[in-house]
Amino acid sequence: ETGVTQSPTHLIKTRGQQVTLRCSSQSGHNTVSWYQQALGQGPQFIFQYYREEENGRGNFPPRFSGLQFPNYSSELNVNALELDDSALYLCASSGNPTSDLGTDTQYFGPGTRLTVL
Amino acid sequence: SQQGEEDPQALSIQEGENATMNCSYKTSINNLQWYRQNSGRGLVHLILIRSNEREKHSGRLRVTLDTSKKSSSLLITASRAADTASYFCATTKAAGNKLTFGGGTRVLVKP
Repeated sequence: ETGVTQSPTHLIKTRGQQVTLRCSSQSGHNTVSWYQQALGQGPQFIFQYYREEENGRGNFPPRFSGLQFPNYSSELNVNALELDDSALYLCASSGNPTSDLGTDTQYFGPGTRLTVL
Repeated sequence: SQQGEEDPQALSIQEGENATMNCSYKTSINNLQWYRQNSGRGLVHLILIRSNEREKHSGRLRVTLDTSKKSSSLLITASRAADTASYFCATTKAAGNKLTFGGGTRVLVKP
């Protein structure tokens, strides 16, 4: 158990709809990163939030957006869903990303399985 | 795009045997981490090795890092059925920043 929780566990949407996924970070962590994992592949970095600001973004279109709240929980929003958005969405929490030691480990939640029909 | 490549893609061994998997990456790194994933669920952090380290141990796990060859290996000794999972290496260019994952090695440990 990492202390990172995600909701919902599973979600089914249709093409063109919008979805919001939620993540609660581990106690004491102020950084949340989101990853997309397609079936049979490794996770791909979407973006990271540190103290409510975006702190790095991967190669994902603007219809993928996020928020981080003062309690460091986070949301991932995806607009205009496409079939290829079907994947496991993982969030990971970690400590201060500007610190060199002891904060590199990212602790992952169980993921949200999104199916787009 | 994926930074790392794991080899082999799949591995099947008997309980009690050792399992070795390799990871290669393309650019300079700050550290390399290994994660385990069971049945498409969340990733469990196994071990982190920094770019100035060559070998680390944690229980039945041994990780090596060769920055000149841009490669790492993960050895699981005396494997158990519970070690059946997918194993991913992930690199980061700067501490605390994004992880770049490889495609993973699927390990099956037969009882």
